Amino acid sequence: AQSVTQPDIHITVSEGASLELRCNYSYGATPYLFWYVQSPGQGLQLLLKYFSGDTLVQGIKGFEAEFKRSQSSFNLRKPSVHWSDAAEYFCAVGARGNNAGNMLTFGGGTRLMVKP
Amino acid sequence: EPEVTQTPSHQVTQMGQEVILRCVPISNHLYFYWYRQILGQKVEFLVSFYNNEISEKSEIFDDQFSVERPDGSNFTLKIRSTKLEDSAMYFCASSVLQLEAFFGQGTRLTVV
Repeated sequence: AQSVTQPDIHITVSEGASLELRCNYSYGATPYLFWYVQSPGQGLQLLLKYFSGDTLVQGIKGFEAEFKRSQSSFNLRKPSVHWSDAAEYFCAVGARGNNAGNMLTFGGGTRLMVKP
Repeated sequence: EPEVTQTPSHQVTQMGQEVILRCVPISNHLYFYWYRQILGQKVEFLVSFYNNEISEKSEIFDDQFSVERPDGSNFTLKIRSTKLEDSAMYFCASSVLQLEAFFGQGTRLTVV
């Protein structure tokens, strides 16, 4: 069974500082990988996805993530954080080849706070 | 931009009552899903629906739950007899085959 671990429950960064949110997954093959963001009272918005090919993927709002097979990781990065980035971030893995399309398994989330 | 819409945004119900949560997926999508997020916990998969039938369900999705696509646009989740532990945010999502799922804003269900 697949699983996702986000080791950091809370992270606080200063506005303008760089950001890296960690995600480790467990899956028997190369999975589909996703990062979603949830602002307070909002739904889940897709930031970026990895299916295959280039292991560095670009997403919306200036985010990027790098798939590292050897480390089973898919860390999310942003070079300069804005106050509006404060939200909860979820890493998710989707299994390939099943009939359920991309049934997702989510990590526990990382809550990002941004200091002025 | 097309989006998944869910109604209502918040529903309060008494324990033992039936509730129906409604969703309008993105029109050209083929797979439909329900997820839930109990306060302070992970987002959990409940069920996926494809070609007018359940294609996968989790152990959470017991006989108290059912899904339906009653017409060409709506996708519903019914909980027959709600329990206190059903209180959660319920998210509907849709996708085109094995591409990214688009989520709705969620329905917060409170069982009292």
